[in-house]
Formats: sequence, structure tokens, C-alpha cells
Amino acid sequence: NAGVTQTPKFRILKIGQSMTLQCTQDMNHNYMYWYRQDPGMGLKLIYYSVGAGITDKGEVPNGYNVSRSTTEDFPLRLELAAPSQTSVYFCASSGLAGGQDTQYFGPGTRLTVL
Amino acid sequence: AQTVTQSQPEMSVQEAETVTLSCTYDTSESDYYLFWYKQPPSRQMILVIRQEAYKQQNATENRFSVNFQKAAKSFSLKISDSQLGDAAMYFCAYRFSGGGADGLTFGKGTHLIIQP
Repeated sequence: NAGVTQTPKFRILKIGQSMTLQCTQDMNHNYMYWYRQDPGMGLKLIYYSVGAGITDKGEVPNGYNVSRSTTEDFPLRLELAAPSQTSVYFCASSGLAGGQDTQYFGPGTRLTVL
Repeated sequence: AQTVTQSQPEMSVQEAETVTLSCTYDTSESDYYLFWYKQPPSRQMILVIRQEAYKQQNATENRFSVNFQKAAKSFSLKISDSQLGDAAMYFCAYRFSGGGADGLTFGKGTHLIIQP
């Protein structure tokens, strides 16, 4: 049982490039989340999903896209990378909504846009 | 919108002593959850403790306990018998318990230093 896994661990992008951050969970959780953590700050919600085929925006969705074709996977897409997207990205999942269940976090992806 | 404030950017405590980390929040909701997460240098987010707003009893987990004051919208974390492994960033977080799956709202964190 690996929990929540994220790839890659580190990535450097040039301005304007695109990439996909991968997130997979093996706990059969319906709810999945993407957060970003800027230096000296707490995590902020980018997008979330309540199940396959259903996604919704969080607090800071601009510049990102998501999809959820399976229960296990929730990739985050950056189409035109900008320096403001330099951050650490965390994926999380939970089995229940509304705080009833623990959110399990992946190890994070450190992204630098130059 | 809800907000979470951690007013102590950094705290230092001697090993084996007790330390309290502060957190206040703002919400118009009456039913919600509050959390403390630990983030060591590895960056992994680890749940320390959770409190349901409808419960008056303060949550405890071994050496970790909270002081939940709903009227004051205060949620502090007390760490007893501090250990070197407790050194980390600590984040307070809020989550509305209503329908939907909106995520956690985090404070900016408190850096906890343990002096040997």
C-alpha cells in the first residue's frame, strides 16, 4: 500500500513550457486534491475532485487544469509555465468529505520556472 | 471566506519542556473541523491531531493536545515532553464539514525549534 505517490519529485521548466504533474493513490479514495505551497506559506487549494469525471476549482486555479478519468489518478497540467508557478505541489486524497476523514498527502513535487 | 492565522512564525523550546502553538480562525459556519499538521524537512505533511467543532472535549493524541475555544475561534496545540523529532513546521488548518469536498484552509505555519 503506497498511499499517495507523486512524480516527478523535482522539475525545472522554462517560461512557456508545459508539463503534467502526476498523482496516484491506491486507497480507493473518491476525493482528491491539489495544493501548492509557496515559500513561507501554508498550502493553498488549486483544484479538487469528488470522483472520476468530476472536478472543481479551489482557491488558486488560474494557470492549471486537471482531469480525473479514473479513481486512482488525478494529474495536474500546467500549460504555459510562468515564474509565479514556482512552488511545491502536493496531491492529497481522502475517503470521506467534509473533514470526516484524514487527508493523506503525497511527498510533493518541487517545481521551478525560470 | 474562512481564514486561519498563526501569529508565531517561530517558536523555540528546550527538549522535554512543554510548548504551545497558537492558531485563530475566522468562519461564519458552526460545524467544521480543525487540524494540526506537521511538516518536517522531508516536506511530508503528517496529521498530528483533529478536532470536531461540535465536540466540546479537547482532542488528545499522546503528547499532543489542543485547547479548542469555539467562541473565541481559537485552536492551540500543546506539545508536552518535547522531543528532537518534534522539530518541524506546524500548520493549523480548517475545513467546513458541510456537503462537498472543498479542501483544507491552512495558516502560514509555525517553525518549531527544539533545543537539546
